[in-house]
Amino acid sequence: GENVEQHPSTLSVQEGDSAVIKCTYSDSASNYFPWYKQELGKRPQLIIDIRSNVGEKKDQRIAVTLNKTAKHFSLHITETQPEDSAVYFCAASISTGNQFYFGTGTSLTVIP
Amino acid sequence: GAVVSQHPSRVICKSGTSVKIECRSLDFQATTMFWYRQFPKKSLMLMATSNEGSKATYEQGVEKDKFLINHASLTLSTLTVTSAHPEDSSFYICSARDLRRAQDGYTFGSGTRLTVV
Repeated sequence: GENVEQHPSTLSVQEGDSAVIKCTYSDSASNYFPWYKQELGKRPQLIIDIRSNVGEKKDQRIAVTLNKTAKHFSLHITETQPEDSAVYFCAASISTGNQFYFGTGTSLTVIP
Repeated sequence: GAVVSQHPSRVICKSGTSVKIECRSLDFQATTMFWYRQFPKKSLMLMATSNEGSKATYEQGVEKDKFLINHASLTLSTLTVTSAHPEDSSFYICSARDLRRAQDGYTFGSGTRLTVV
């Protein structure tokens, strides 16, 4: 099956700085890559996703880039705020209708 | 957006007993739901794919006789942890997708914290 690796496992940034989380995947057939944010004790929430026919997608302070050749994708958060502190998971799947395989998660702390 | 309801949110049971967890899609029909297990400060591990009207598909290493999945209707999937043991203690969470709002991706239930004593 698909193997998704995620780095770093923990990340601390000063408020206002940028945060970057990187993921790699193994199955070249994967073509859908969502990112989820999970606050402590709560369910994961989709924050952004990208499909393999797109190299970059942006939504306000959040952007995701995808390099299909290298099989890696990244989440970029700019102008970080304390409320961005959470665990972020990347995932990969073959189309949006199939099961997701999640990365190991990144615990992001934004220091005020 | 789509709403997925999961019950119970917390359950404590004795070793050897069985526990049923329900996952409901409240405002949409879901032919497919997914069950995940999450250990503290760890990632979500896909356990199985629940298919309405047919057998669930289990991931490698997940015991199908231990984790029984039933998807009897288009809005309900259940996960039963049979003969629970302390090592089954974990956070179990389901997800589903409203095909009418496919661009919204999958929605997760609120999760169930299972503690086996």
